[in-house]
Amino acid sequence: LAKTTQPISMDSYEGQEVNITCSHNNIATNDYITWYQQFPSQGPRFIIQGYKTKVTNEVASLFIPADRKSSTLSLPRVSLSDTAVYYCLVGADRGSTLGRLYFGRGTQLTVWP
Amino acid sequence: DVKVTQSSRYLVKRTGEKVFLECVQDMDHENMFWYRQDPGLGLRLIYFSYDVKMKEKGDIPEGYSVSREKKERFSLILESASTNQTSMYLCASIGGGENNEQFFGPGTRLTVL
Repeated sequence: LAKTTQPISMDSYEGQEVNITCSHNNIATNDYITWYQQFPSQGPRFIIQGYKTKVTNEVASLFIPADRKSSTLSLPRVSLSDTAVYYCLVGADRGSTLGRLYFGRGTQLTVWP
Repeated sequence: DVKVTQSSRYLVKRTGEKVFLECVQDMDHENMFWYRQDPGLGLRLIYFSYDVKMKEKGDIPEGYSVSREKKERFSLILESASTNQTSMYLCASIGGGENNEQFFGPGTRLTVL
């Protein structure tokens, strides 16, 4: 499984855009890049997934360069409720149902008023 | 909505006790997972199961066993609880949908005295 490296923590203020970058130098051809969000005392929940270029949904955007060795999760105009741990994962080929994932330590994002 | 439930939110046991953690999902998912989460270590996979009566070791299976007698239920067993098994335990299932996302339960905070 490809492992990932991401900052341990980040701080931001309400209304700012936050970009969290993740390195995954050993990503395999069939791997997808997935981000999860976890609030205290809850299980992680899926945010966004992509393979290359850019993916956008109602929550976030995911930017993936051509070499796919890194990715950036972008959260527009964060609020206090976006304070959470964000995990970057690679693996789990979209066609696979096994879904074995490596979560790593994640990035603690703290949003200040 | 997909629902993954865990039998207890908080559990206190004594060293040497046999402990059962139950997880139930209501979406007919084939694949289920048990993780433990500790500060600074992220989520680590203990065991997973891709079918009834099938199981695979994850990254840290020592001291644990699992049971999958029915598709909707995946049990984690601590044969003889030890203090180093004090942790947050998270169960997840995966439906193999477009994003192959994992759905997590709320977690069980286990304390072994």
